[in-house]
Amino acid sequence: EDQVTQSPEALRLQEGESSSLNCSYTVSGLRGLFWYRQDPGKGPEFLFTLYSAGEEKEKERLKATLTKKESFLHITAPKPEDSATYLCAVQAPRDMRFGAGTRLTVKP
Amino acid sequence: DAMVIQNPRYQVTQFGKPVTLSCSQTLNHNVMYWYQQKSSQAPKLLFHYYDKDFNNEADTPDNFQSRRPNTSFCFLDIRSPGLGDAAMYLCATSREDRGYEQYFGPGTRLTVT
Repeated sequence: EDQVTQSPEALRLQEGESSSLNCSYTVSGLRGLFWYRQDPGKGPEFLFTLYSAGEEKEKERLKATLTKKESFLHITAPKPEDSATYLCAVQAPRDMRFGAGTRLTVKP
Repeated sequence: DAMVIQNPRYQVTQFGKPVTLSCSQTLNHNVMYWYQQKSSQAPKLLFHYYDKDFNNEADTPDNFQSRRPNTSFCFLDIRSPGLGDAAMYLCATSREDRGYEQYFGPGTRLTVT
C-alpha cells in the first residue's frame, strides 16, 4: 500500500534558524511529489512539484529536494510568517496520498 | 484572478439532515477533487472527476455523493450526516489527472449537531 510519512510532526524554530522537514514515501510508480503549505482554517497552497530523484526546486527561503525514498523541504533563515503546516503529497498511478504534515512555528 | 471557490465557508447541519456543499472554479481545469480533512490529519481523497468521468475512492462511504453538472461546478452531497462527518471539506482542481499540482479552495467547515 502506498504510504507517506512526514517528520517531525511539529517543529519550533527561532527566526533565522534553518532546518529541514522530511517526507518519506513508499509508492509504486511515482508520478509526482508535491509540497503544500496550509494555514489554519484554509485550503492548502501549492508550493512545489518534483518528478524524479535528484530534482530540486527553490522559492524564496524554501528549497525542495527528492530522492527515490524521500523528499526534504529545507527552510533557510525562516521568518515568523513561514509558520504553517507543510504537507507532502505523492501521486501514484492509482491514487493521490497526503502526509499528515509538519506543523512549523517560527518564533521572532 | 483565477480561483477555486467554495460555499458556504461554514455549514452547520443536524444529525441525519442532508447537506450539500458547492465548489466552483475559474481555472478551466479538467479535474475536480473532493477531500475530507479532520483536525491535524492528512486530507483524505473522497472522489474526483476527470471531465465527466466519476472516480470513487474504494473506502469512501456511500453516504457521500457528488455531482458535476458542468466543467466549472462540483457538488458534494452528504445524505445523512453523522457526528463523525464533521470536518473540513476541501475542493481542488488540476489541469490533468496525473502528475499535475492541485489548486485548493478555502474549504467548508462542516459541523454536525
